[in-house]
Amino acid sequence: DGGITQSPKYLFRKEGQNVTLSCEQNLNHDAMYWYRQDPGQGLRLIYYSQIVNDFQKGDIAEGYSVSREKKESFPLTVTSAQKNPTAFYLCASRVQGLRGYTFGSGTRLTVV
Amino acid sequence: DAKTTQPPSMDCAEGRAANLPCNHSTISGNEYVYWYRQIHSQGPQYIIHGLKNNETNEMASLIITEDRKSSTLILPHATLRDTAVYYCIVRVEGNAGNMLTFGGGTRLMVKP
Repeated sequence: DGGITQSPKYLFRKEGQNVTLSCEQNLNHDAMYWYRQDPGQGLRLIYYSQIVNDFQKGDIAEGYSVSREKKESFPLTVTSAQKNPTAFYLCASRVQGLRGYTFGSGTRLTVV
Repeated sequence: DAKTTQPPSMDCAEGRAANLPCNHSTISGNEYVYWYRQIHSQGPQYIIHGLKNNETNEMASLIITEDRKSSTLILPHATLRDTAVYYCIVRVEGNAGNMLTFGGGTRLMVKP
């Protein structure tokens, strides 16, 4: 079945370390997105990509980086510059048109 | 994208209809109304969307007022598994690059 796979589901990081969250989709969707969610809050956009080798900053891109070398993959790196990285991270994709977005099951990142 | 206003929380008895309101008084003519829901610690799930006409699918019904300034999501026979946060979003369609803007949503609690 087609879908979006995020890994790992839980991730622990020491302060000062970079960490990369994986997002893979086999839906042949063009656009992919990364969102951050804090407890009791809505989703905030970090980065998005419409096509391979192109991406744009969202509302809270500082301290994060992404790459889009393949259509299927859109990894997110949380760098040591991100001051408060503990959060729930969601990856999504969609195809142009009227269909809704498909979300992954999320990665919960905790800085220890 | 137009801003939406939803009540922060609602309760519903199991088996009864759940009616979730959303105000979007600044919606423009080419913006669609989307509904998503998020069960705890999972990614959001697409429910339904519409432009002007009422819509129904296997999950829910969407009622949009004639002036399009508000809408109601109806879960006709709520079950305990419908307990989730429900997000109402309005946005322009047609460009895969357009991102979603999620607010706080309505936390629906379905009670036995």
